[in-house]
Amino acid sequence: KQEVTQIPAALSVPEGENLVLNCSFTDSAIYNLQWFRQDPGKGLTSLLLIQSSQREQTSGRLNASLDKSSGRSTLYIAASQPGDSATYLCAVGSSGNTPLVFGKGTRLSVIA
Amino acid sequence: NAGVTQTPKFQVLKTGQSMTLQCAQDMNHEYMSWYRQDPGMGLRLIHYSVGAGITDQGEVPNGYNVSRSTTEDFPLRLLSAAPSQTSVYFCASSPRVRDIQYFGAGTRLSVL
Repeated sequence: KQEVTQIPAALSVPEGENLVLNCSFTDSAIYNLQWFRQDPGKGLTSLLLIQSSQREQTSGRLNASLDKSSGRSTLYIAASQPGDSATYLCAVGSSGNTPLVFGKGTRLSVIA
Repeated sequence: NAGVTQTPKFQVLKTGQSMTLQCAQDMNHEYMSWYRQDPGMGLRLIHYSVGAGITDQGEVPNGYNVSRSTTEDFPLRLLSAAPSQTSVYFCASSPRVRDIQYFGAGTRLSVL
């Protein structure tokens, strides 16, 4: 059974810092990995999707990397802003047509 | 574009009552799913559907029923509500199970 772990559970940084959020998964037989953002009281918004054949994806100040063999992904946020404050969730799609398995998320606070 | 629409946004039920959480998408997506989100537990899959007429169970299906008679709609039925079903419920859709997931804004349910 696929298990997804996100560390740390919470993170507080001053504005302008570069930061890294971590995601690990137990079964490396995945088809893709997705990073989502969730604002308080809201639904999830997809940020980046990395296919199993890719090493990284970039969108603006966000860069997500994938190391399938070691079961790890990182989300790098450059020059953090208070508007980046949210919970970030990692989700893994395993082989076949099985649905996504989510980590519990990292709650990020960027302090002005 | 409406995207994924969930109704109602909030609901309070008494133990033993039944109700249906509605989910509709206007993107002609084949794949739809229901999750519940609880503090400390993350997102857990309840039921999913890979197309009209096809449904399957997720991680926590007990106490919930689904059907998929059209591509657009995927209602979630609580047969006899229990306090353990107090949670935030999210519906998601995507063209296929391996594609970017689009989430609704959620339904907050309290069972007294």
